[in-house]
Amino acid sequence: DIVVTQSPLSLPVAPGEPASISCGSSQSLLRPDGYNYLDWYVHKPGQSPQLLIYLGSNRASGVPDRFSGGGSGTDFTLRISRVEAEDVGVYYCMQTLQTPRTFGQGTKVEIK
Amino acid sequence: QVQLQESGPGLVKPSETLSLTCTVSGGSLNNYYWTWIRRPAGKGLEWIGRIYTNDNTRYNPSLQSRVSMSVDTSKNHISLTLTSVTAADTAIYYCARGYVPTAIGPWYHYMDVWGKGTTVTVSS
Repeated sequence: DIVVTQSPLSLPVAPGEPASISCGSSQSLLRPDGYNYLDWYVHKPGQSPQLLIYLGSNRASGVPDRFSGGGSGTDFTLRISRVEAEDVGVYYCMQTLQTPRTFGQGTKVEIK
Repeated sequence: QVQLQESGPGLVKPSETLSLTCTVSGGSLNNYYWTWIRRPAGKGLEWIGRIYTNDNTRYNPSLQSRVSMSVDTSKNHISLTLTSVTAADTAIYYCARGYVPTAIGPWYHYMDVWGKGTTVTVSS
Protein backbone atom coordinates (compact mmCIF):
# COMPACT_ATOMS: atom_id res chain seq x y z
CA ASP A 1 0.00 0.00 0.00
CA ILE A 2 1.10 3.58 -0.59
CA VAL A 3 1.80 5.30 2.72
CA VAL A 4 0.63 8.90 2.94
CA THR A 5 1.99 11.16 5.67
CA GLN A 6 0.72 14.58 6.69
CA SER A 7 2.16 17.35 8.81
CA PRO A 8 1.46 19.03 11.06
CA LEU A 9 -1.24 17.01 12.77
CA SER A 10 -2.54 20.10 14.57
CA LEU A 11 -2.57 23.61 13.15
CA PRO A 12 -3.87 26.56 15.17
CA VAL A 13 -4.26 29.62 12.95
CA ALA A 14 -5.45 33.15 13.63
CA PRO A 15 -8.27 34.41 11.40
CA GLY A 16 -6.96 36.06 8.27
CA GLU A 17 -3.59 34.35 8.52
CA PRO A 18 -2.32 31.83 5.98
CA ALA A 19 -2.06 28.10 6.64
CA SER A 20 -0.14 25.32 4.97
CA ILE A 21 -0.42 21.54 5.25
CA SER A 22 2.16 19.15 3.87
CA CYS A 23 1.47 15.70 2.48
CA GLY A 24 4.03 13.13 1.43
CA SER A 25 3.68 9.76 -0.24
CA SER A 26 5.88 6.67 -0.18
CA GLN A 27 5.94 6.56 -3.97
CA SER A 28 5.46 9.06 -6.73
CA LEU A 29 1.85 9.93 -7.50
CA LEU A 30 2.74 11.45 -10.87
CA ARG A 31 1.55 9.43 -13.82
CA PRO A 32 2.82 9.70 -17.42
CA ASP A 33 -0.38 11.59 -18.24
CA GLY A 34 1.04 14.48 -16.25
CA TYR A 35 -1.46 14.35 -13.42
CA ASN A 36 -0.60 13.91 -9.78
CA TYR A 37 -3.05 11.46 -8.27
CA LEU A 38 -3.64 13.16 -4.96
CA ASP A 39 -6.86 14.67 -3.62
CA TRP A 40 -7.60 16.82 -0.58
CA TYR A 41 -10.72 16.52 1.58
CA VAL A 42 -11.92 18.38 4.63
CA HIS A 43 -14.10 16.94 7.37
CA LYS A 44 -15.81 19.76 9.22
CA PRO A 45 -17.49 19.19 12.59
CA GLY A 46 -20.96 17.76 12.20
CA GLN A 47 -20.69 17.51 8.42
CA SER A 48 -19.76 14.92 5.83
CA PRO A 49 -16.26 15.04 4.37
CA GLN A 50 -16.07 17.17 1.24
CA LEU A 51 -13.72 17.40 -1.69
CA LEU A 52 -11.45 20.44 -1.86
CA ILE A 53 -8.78 19.68 -4.44
CA TYR A 54 -8.45 16.88 -6.98
CA LEU A 55 -5.48 15.70 -9.00
CA GLY A 56 -3.10 17.75 -6.93
CA SER A 57 -4.12 21.25 -7.89
CA ASN A 58 -7.67 21.44 -9.23
CA ARG A 59 -10.19 23.15 -7.00
CA ALA A 60 -13.50 21.34 -6.74
CA SER A 61 -16.69 23.12 -7.68
CA GLY A 62 -17.76 25.67 -5.09
CA VAL A 63 -14.45 25.69 -3.22
CA PRO A 64 -13.28 29.24 -2.40
CA ASP A 65 -10.19 30.42 -4.24
CA ARG A 66 -8.33 30.96 -0.97
CA PHE A 67 -7.69 27.19 -1.14
CA SER A 68 -4.93 25.98 -3.42
CA GLY A 69 -3.10 22.71 -3.93
CA GLY A 70 0.41 22.24 -5.23
CA GLY A 71 3.35 19.92 -5.45
CA SER A 72 4.31 16.95 -7.55
CA GLY A 73 5.63 13.43 -7.27
CA THR A 74 5.84 12.64 -3.58
CA ASP A 75 5.47 16.07 -1.94
CA PHE A 76 2.30 18.11 -1.88
CA THR A 77 0.92 21.14 -0.09
CA LEU A 78 -2.52 22.50 0.64
CA ARG A 79 -2.56 26.24 1.26
CA ILE A 80 -5.24 28.46 2.69
CA SER A 81 -4.37 32.05 1.90
CA ARG A 82 -6.50 33.60 4.65
CA VAL A 83 -8.10 31.30 7.19
CA GLU A 84 -11.71 31.94 8.12
CA ALA A 85 -13.69 30.54 11.03
CA GLU A 86 -15.62 28.22 8.70
CA ASP A 87 -12.37 26.48 7.70
CA VAL A 88 -12.15 24.66 11.03
CA GLY A 89 -11.98 20.92 10.53
CA VAL A 90 -9.70 17.99 9.78
CA TYR A 91 -7.95 18.08 6.43
CA TYR A 92 -6.92 14.85 4.70
CA CYS A 93 -4.87 14.12 1.65
CA MET A 94 -5.62 10.89 -0.16
CA GLN A 95 -3.68 9.17 -2.89
CA THR A 96 -5.75 8.06 -5.86
CA LEU A 97 -3.00 6.38 -7.85
CA GLN A 98 -3.86 2.85 -6.82
CA THR A 99 -6.13 0.80 -4.62
CA PRO A 100 -6.42 0.60 -1.74
CA ARG A 101 -6.72 4.34 -1.62
CA THR A 102 -4.94 5.62 1.46
CA PHE A 103 -5.33 8.76 3.49
CA GLY A 104 -2.92 10.81 5.49
CA GLN A 105 -3.47 10.93 9.24
CA GLY A 106 -5.38 14.20 9.01
CA THR A 107 -4.50 17.74 10.07
CA LYS A 108 -6.78 19.43 12.55
CA VAL A 109 -7.12 23.12 11.75
CA GLU A 110 -8.44 25.28 14.55
CA ILE A 111 -8.81 28.99 15.09
CA LYS A 112 -6.54 30.67 17.64
CA GLN B 1 -29.48 17.52 -5.98
CA VAL B 2 -28.08 14.07 -5.30
CA GLN B 3 -28.19 12.96 -1.68
CA LEU B 4 -26.84 9.84 -0.03
CA GLN B 5 -28.19 8.34 3.17
CA GLU B 6 -26.51 5.52 5.02
CA SER B 7 -28.57 3.22 7.20
CA GLY B 8 -27.87 0.22 9.35
CA PRO B 9 -28.36 -1.49 12.72
CA GLY B 10 -26.27 0.82 14.88
CA LEU B 11 -25.23 -1.97 17.23
CA VAL B 12 -23.76 -5.30 16.17
CA LYS B 13 -22.47 -8.13 18.33
CA PRO B 14 -18.91 -9.40 17.91
CA SER B 15 -18.53 -12.18 15.32
CA GLU B 16 -21.80 -11.22 13.65
CA THR B 17 -22.33 -9.69 10.20
CA LEU B 18 -22.75 -5.97 9.62
CA SER B 19 -25.02 -4.90 6.78
CA LEU B 20 -25.30 -1.27 5.71
CA THR B 21 -27.25 0.40 2.93
CA CYS B 22 -26.58 3.64 1.13
CA THR B 23 -29.72 5.00 -0.49
CA VAL B 24 -29.28 7.44 -3.35
CA SER B 25 -31.93 10.06 -4.02
CA GLY B 26 -32.10 12.68 -6.74
CA GLY B 27 -29.84 10.85 -9.15
CA SER B 28 -28.88 7.65 -10.88
CA LEU B 29 -26.41 5.00 -9.75
CA ASN B 30 -25.24 4.36 -13.30
CA ASN B 31 -21.79 5.37 -14.49
CA TYR B 32 -20.47 6.25 -11.07
CA TYR B 33 -18.18 4.59 -8.57
CA TRP B 34 -19.60 4.04 -5.10
CA THR B 35 -17.20 3.98 -2.18
CA TRP B 36 -17.45 3.07 1.46
CA ILE B 37 -15.16 4.80 3.94
CA ARG B 38 -15.10 4.62 7.71
CA ARG B 39 -13.73 6.68 10.56
CA PRO B 40 -13.06 4.89 13.85
CA ALA B 41 -13.38 7.09 16.92
CA GLY B 42 -10.27 9.17 17.42
CA LYS B 43 -8.73 7.98 14.17
CA GLY B 44 -8.57 9.05 10.56
CA LEU B 45 -10.39 7.95 7.46
CA GLU B 46 -10.06 4.40 6.13
CA TRP B 47 -11.01 3.37 2.61
CA ILE B 48 -13.06 0.17 2.71
CA GLY B 49 -13.62 -0.33 -0.99
CA ARG B 50 -15.55 0.72 -4.04
CA ILE B 51 -17.92 -0.70 -6.62
CA TYR B 52 -18.81 0.43 -10.10
CA THR B 53 -22.29 0.03 -11.46
CA ASN B 54 -21.14 -2.94 -13.56
CA ASP B 55 -20.33 -4.70 -10.27
CA ASN B 56 -16.59 -4.22 -10.68
CA THR B 57 -15.26 -4.10 -7.14
CA ARG B 58 -12.03 -3.27 -5.32
CA TYR B 59 -11.65 -3.88 -1.62
CA ASN B 60 -9.05 -2.89 0.93
CA PRO B 61 -6.81 -5.96 1.33
CA SER B 62 -6.98 -5.49 5.09
CA LEU B 63 -10.72 -6.29 4.89
CA GLN B 64 -10.83 -8.34 1.70
CA SER B 65 -11.75 -11.64 3.31
CA ARG B 66 -14.69 -10.10 5.19
CA VAL B 67 -16.17 -7.42 2.96
CA SER B 68 -18.51 -7.38 0.01
CA MET B 69 -20.42 -4.67 -1.82
CA SER B 70 -23.30 -4.68 -4.24
CA VAL B 71 -25.36 -2.25 -6.26
CA ASP B 72 -29.12 -2.51 -6.72
CA THR B 73 -30.18 -0.06 -9.40
CA SER B 74 -33.87 -0.99 -9.04
CA LYS B 75 -33.81 0.17 -5.42
CA ASN B 76 -31.22 2.88 -6.03
CA HIS B 77 -28.99 1.70 -3.25
CA ILE B 78 -25.57 0.31 -2.54
CA SER B 79 -24.95 -2.30 0.12
CA LEU B 80 -21.96 -3.07 2.31
CA THR B 81 -21.57 -6.36 4.16
CA LEU B 82 -18.82 -6.97 6.69
CA THR B 83 -18.62 -10.38 8.33
CA SER B 84 -17.09 -11.52 11.63
CA VAL B 85 -17.00 -8.03 13.10
CA THR B 86 -14.91 -7.09 16.11
CA ALA B 87 -14.60 -3.98 18.24
CA ALA B 88 -12.06 -2.69 15.72
CA ASP B 89 -14.92 -2.28 13.23
CA THR B 90 -16.63 0.27 15.46
CA ALA B 91 -16.72 3.45 13.40
CA ILE B 92 -18.78 5.96 11.49
CA TYR B 93 -19.39 4.54 8.03
CA TYR B 94 -19.77 6.82 5.02
CA CYS B 95 -20.76 6.15 1.47
CA ALA B 96 -19.61 8.47 -1.29
CA ARG B 97 -20.20 8.85 -4.99
CA GLY B 98 -17.21 8.70 -7.27
CA TYR B 99 -17.36 10.96 -10.29
CA VAL B 100 -15.17 10.20 -13.32
CA PRO B 101 -13.96 13.40 -15.00
CA THR B 102 -14.31 12.79 -18.72
CA ALA B 103 -11.04 14.51 -19.49
CA ILE B 104 -9.06 12.07 -17.36
CA GLY B 105 -10.15 8.47 -17.87
CA PRO B 106 -11.99 5.64 -16.15
CA TRP B 107 -9.07 4.81 -13.86
CA TYR B 108 -9.67 7.92 -11.78
CA HIS B 109 -12.59 9.31 -9.88
CA TYR B 110 -13.05 11.76 -7.05
CA MET B 111 -15.68 11.59 -4.35
CA ASP B 112 -17.99 14.50 -4.95
CA VAL B 113 -21.05 13.59 -2.88
CA TRP B 114 -20.98 12.01 0.58
CA GLY B 115 -23.61 10.76 2.95
CA LYS B 116 -23.86 12.03 6.50
CA GLY B 117 -22.58 8.74 7.87
CA THR B 118 -24.00 6.10 10.15
CA THR B 119 -22.50 5.06 13.46
CA VAL B 120 -21.80 1.38 14.02
CA THR B 121 -20.83 0.03 17.40
CA VAL B 122 -19.62 -3.53 17.83
CA SER B 123 -20.33 -4.68 21.35
CA SER B 124 -21.92 -7.56 23.17
